[in-house]
Amino acid sequence: KAGVTQTPRYLIKTRGQQVTLSCSPISGHRSVSWYQQTPGQGLQFLFEYFSETQRNKGNFPGRFSGRQFSNSRSEMNVSTLELGDSALYLCASSPLAGGPAKNIQYFGAGTRLSVL
Amino acid sequence: DQQVKQNSPSLSVQEGRISILNCDYTNSMFDYFLWYKKYPAEGPTFLISISSIKDKNEDGRFTVFLNKSAKHLSLHIVPSQPGDSAVYFCAASALKTSYDKVIFGPGTSLSVIP
Repeated sequence: KAGVTQTPRYLIKTRGQQVTLSCSPISGHRSVSWYQQTPGQGLQFLFEYFSETQRNKGNFPGRFSGRQFSNSRSEMNVSTLELGDSALYLCASSPLAGGPAKNIQYFGAGTRLSVL
Repeated sequence: DQQVKQNSPSLSVQEGRISILNCDYTNSMFDYFLWYKKYPAEGPTFLISISSIKDKNEDGRFTVFLNKSAKHLSLHIVPSQPGDSAVYFCAASALKTSYDKVIFGPGTSLSVIP
C-alpha cells in the first residue's frame, strides 16, 4: 500500500498570500488529520476530516481551513499568510477501525512552508 | 496550556545503554497513550502504545510504562542503537469520551552516540 502523500514538499510564500496544501491518505483510510509542527511546540492539531465532514478542530484562527473530498483526499488552505505560519504541516490518515486502533495515525512527510 | 508535556527537549545516550524518555499529562480523561518516532525530513511513525488498563507494554527493545496516579509515562529503549537517534513524541487520547483528538507533546530529541 502506498503511504500518505503530501504535496508540495516545500513552499515559499510572502506575507498576505494564501496557500493550499494537499494530502492523499492511505487507500481505505477515511480519517485525515492536519497538524502544524514548529520547534518546541510539537505537533499542534489543526483539524480532522472524516467522510468529507470536519469532526474536530484545534485552536487555530479562521485563516486555516480545510476540506475533504469523496475519495478521502484532503486539502488545507491558509489565507492571509503571516510570518508565524512558517512551519512543517503534517497530514495523517487513520483507518478509524474503532477502538484504540483508530488513534494510530500514519503520517506523510509533510509540507515545509516558509513565509517571507 | 500543554496537556502533554515532555520536559526534556534533548537526551544523549551511549550506544548499548538504556534510553529513558519521559512524558507527563494533565488531563485525567486520557486513557490511551502512544509514542511516535520522527526522523528528519520524514513524518512521525507509530512506535508503541499503551492503554490505561495496563501499566506496561513491551515490544522488542521498546517498553512503555504508565503510572496513572502520577500521570506519567516513560519509554525505555534497551539497548539503544545509533539508528534510534530521532525525535520522540508522546501522545494521548481519551477513547471513552467525545474528546476524540490525539494530543501530542513537544518531543524529545534522542541522540545515541556510537
